[in-house]
Amino acid sequence: GAVVSQHPSWVICKSGTSVKIECRSLDFQATTMFWYRQFPKQSLMLMATSNEGSKATYEQGVEKDKFLINHASLTLSTLTVTSAHPEDSSFYICSARDWARGLEQYFGPGTRLTVT
Amino acid sequence: RKEVEQDPGPFNVPEGATVAFNCTYSNSASQSFFWYRQDCRKEPKLLMSVYSSGNEDGRFTAQLNRASQYISLLIRDSKLSDSATYLCVVNKENDKIIFGKGTRLHILP
Repeated sequence: GAVVSQHPSWVICKSGTSVKIECRSLDFQATTMFWYRQFPKQSLMLMATSNEGSKATYEQGVEKDKFLINHASLTLSTLTVTSAHPEDSSFYICSARDWARGLEQYFGPGTRLTVT
Repeated sequence: RKEVEQDPGPFNVPEGATVAFNCTYSNSASQSFFWYRQDCRKEPKLLMSVYSSGNEDGRFTAQLNRASQYISLLIRDSKLSDSATYLCVVNKENDKIIFGKGTRLHILP
């Protein structure tokens, strides 16, 4: 149990375009989903926390107008990187938590974004 | 003091040996602690939660020392497949967790 999928697993896009990443909890209802970013040889950095049906809470320094998060259902959250720039190239990982299971977060396989 | 601090390593350990690493945390109010493992270019996977009384799962033992604010992970009879980065995770507040930068472990044949 506790499987989280992400799509796409990798994407290459041109500077200025937008990219949408989907995160799904496959066998449980995710009351909370998290979006992280990880640069090479760096630790995971939390970007935002989203609860189903409400607006996401962004961490300091993360532009909410650039990284649009939607958590419309208990099994799906999306992250849209708008007007992507090369410095947005990174590994984006979502995680999901079901309060019934406790505080453990279960991670998706990640999406590697390259902006050219 | 950093919120979560780990020795980055790498720890180069011969196969079959026992290895242990610690992680210190700054928030004395933290209640939940975890060890995750992350393989290169992969997502983190939960290895084990860390309970106040300590817990063991096969070759892995996790301990919590609240007085000194650190958690530890002990790996016995290490296998080549244990090579990975081990992430210490501590809850910050309510539902937020903070990741350490990880300790790299290389098991040598």
